[in-house]
This record gives sequence, structure tokens and C-alpha cells, in this order.
Amino acid sequence: KAGVTQTPRYLIKTRGQQVTLSCSPISGHRSVSWYQQTPGQGLQFLFEYFSETQRNKGNFPGRFSGRQFSNSRSEMNVSTLELGDSALYLCASSRGQLLSEQYFGPGTRLTVT
Amino acid sequence: DAKTTQPNSMESNEEEPVHLPCNHSTISGTDYIHWYRQLPSQGPEYVIHGLTSNVNNRMASLAIAEDRKSSTLILHRATLRDAAVYYCIDLGGSARQLTFGSGTQLTVLP
Repeated sequence: KAGVTQTPRYLIKTRGQQVTLSCSPISGHRSVSWYQQTPGQGLQFLFEYFSETQRNKGNFPGRFSGRQFSNSRSEMNVSTLELGDSALYLCASSRGQLLSEQYFGPGTRLTVT
Repeated sequence: DAKTTQPNSMESNEEEPVHLPCNHSTISGTDYIHWYRQLPSQGPEYVIHGLTSNVNNRMASLAIAEDRKSSTLILHRATLRDAAVYYCIDLGGSARQLTFGSGTQLTVLP
């Protein structure tokens, strides 16, 4: 079974621009979560989607948004990029049950200059 | 804030057992203990989880203290590929997210 895939793997953007990252979950998984990882803050939860609905949201500004499509694929968008948004963005999928294992993708490395 | 505490780093020799401790003194009766690890340049990987009893799978064993305020992840024979950051997570029944702490950086020496 194919794992979680994320595209692109690397991205360089300029301050003020916007960016869209994509995540394809494992087939059959209906929940997709997004995390941001930085050296200073570690792994932080952004939001979770299930059946195209956002079920939970972390403590990030409104510039961070996401959506999920009917095939469970998910995208996250960051508008008006700031230098501090440089990070590894990780997507994780799970079957949707509360305590089920989460399977992470390799991440998208975003650099904001 | 993370509800668990772990040592920042540990070292082990290859092919020896490794015991990674985790304190979760505020755990409630229905919270599960999950362990994930993150190898260099990869996303986190699920290792194991448990509630009260000790648990085993192909990757590791999880020993949970009787009072459930601490647990130990056991790698029975460490290999160089086990070098990673190991995260212990106290996951409540209604939780919809993983709250990662700083984890334990495991170094495996050849």
C-alpha cells in the first residue's frame, strides 16, 4: 500500500507570497492532519480534516488554512508568507478513529526568503 | 504544552537493549500512551501505544507502570537504523491531535 505523499518536497518563496502544499493520504484513510516542525518550536499541530470538514484546529493565525477534497486529498495554504513560516510541513493520515495510528508523509520543506 | 517529560538524549551500543523512559504524571484514566519516532530527514513514524498492560509489537515493547505515571519503550536489540528522536505522547480519548514534546534523541553506537 502506498504511503502518504506530499508535494512539493521543497519550496522556496519570498515574503508576502502565498503557498499551497498538497497531501495525498493512504488509500482508505479519511482523516488528514497537518503539522509544522521548526527547530525552535518542534512539532506543532495545525489542523485536522475528516470527510472534507475541519474537525480540529491548532493555535495558528488565520493565514494558515486548509481544505480536504472528496477523495480525502488535502491542501494547506499559507498566505502573506513571513520569514518565520520557514519550516517542515508534515501531513499525516489515519483511518479516522480517535486513537488510531497516524501515518506521516516525508514533509514539504518551505523556505521563505 | 506537552504533558510528558523525557530525557533529552540517550546513547546505546548496537545490538544491546535500549530502555527509553517517559514520565506522564498528569495522565488520566482513559489516556493512552503513544510512542512515535522520527528518523533523520523523515516524518514521524508510529511505534507503539498502550493503556494499562504491557504491549509488544514487531518494533518494540511498551512497559507501563502500575500507577500509569510513567512508561518505558524497550528496543530489544538496537540497530544503527534505530537512531532517531523518540516521542512519548499522552493521548486523551477525545484528543484529535498529537502533542509532541521535545523527545529523546537516541544515538546508537557501532
